[in-house]
Amino acid sequence: GAVVSQHPSWVICKSGTSVKIECRSLDFQATTMFWYRQFPKQSLMLMATSNEGSKATYEQGVEKDKFLINHASLTLSTLTVTSAHPEDSSFYICSAELTNEKLFFGSGTQLSVL
Amino acid sequence: DQQVKQNSPSLSVQEGRISILNCDYTNSMFDYFLWYKKYPAEGPTFLISISSIKDKNEDGRFTVFLNKSAKHLSLHIVPSQPGDSAVYFCAASASNTGKLIFGQGTTLQVKP
Repeated sequence: GAVVSQHPSWVICKSGTSVKIECRSLDFQATTMFWYRQFPKQSLMLMATSNEGSKATYEQGVEKDKFLINHASLTLSTLTVTSAHPEDSSFYICSAELTNEKLFFGSGTQLSVL
Repeated sequence: DQQVKQNSPSLSVQEGRISILNCDYTNSMFDYFLWYKKYPAEGPTFLISISSIKDKNEDGRFTVFLNKSAKHLSLHIVPSQPGDSAVYFCAASASNTGKLIFGQGTTLQVKP
């Protein structure tokens, strides 16, 4: 089946630093990728929709200047958490769209901000 | 506003028995529904889906039932196996938006 690679799988950083998370579709081209965030024992919350070659579409309440998304190619989208703070600590998951409504998810990134 | 709800946070069943996971939704525009399985610290993996034009879809031990009038869907796993123990998310989308909206998840524990 289709594979989506997400890197790193976990990261610990100091407050105020920026963290970049990469999401790659390994064996297919994805014009659309999605970024989700999950707090412990809660649902996956869609943060933004990333479209190749255009600006990301952010969900209500998600700060676009805080969570920078770049989808420079058909196989790579990146999420940068800028000036991270402890409240940004969460599990971040990307997904890539293979066919209409058929999503494949990355393995997730556990971010811990000290 | 929780458009997709999984009201049971957890479910425990005996190996070999049937597991039934339920999901309710409120948005009548949803026309495609999916179930995902998730282990801790991993991304969800796709299990099974159903279009709103159907009321049942079966794939091996997994069957999804859709009741549009009740805005309810369920995932049946039979027979349940210990390896099925995980968190199960239902998700829904409307073709006009393409966005997946997830429920809160149900933790299934299958006891040997």
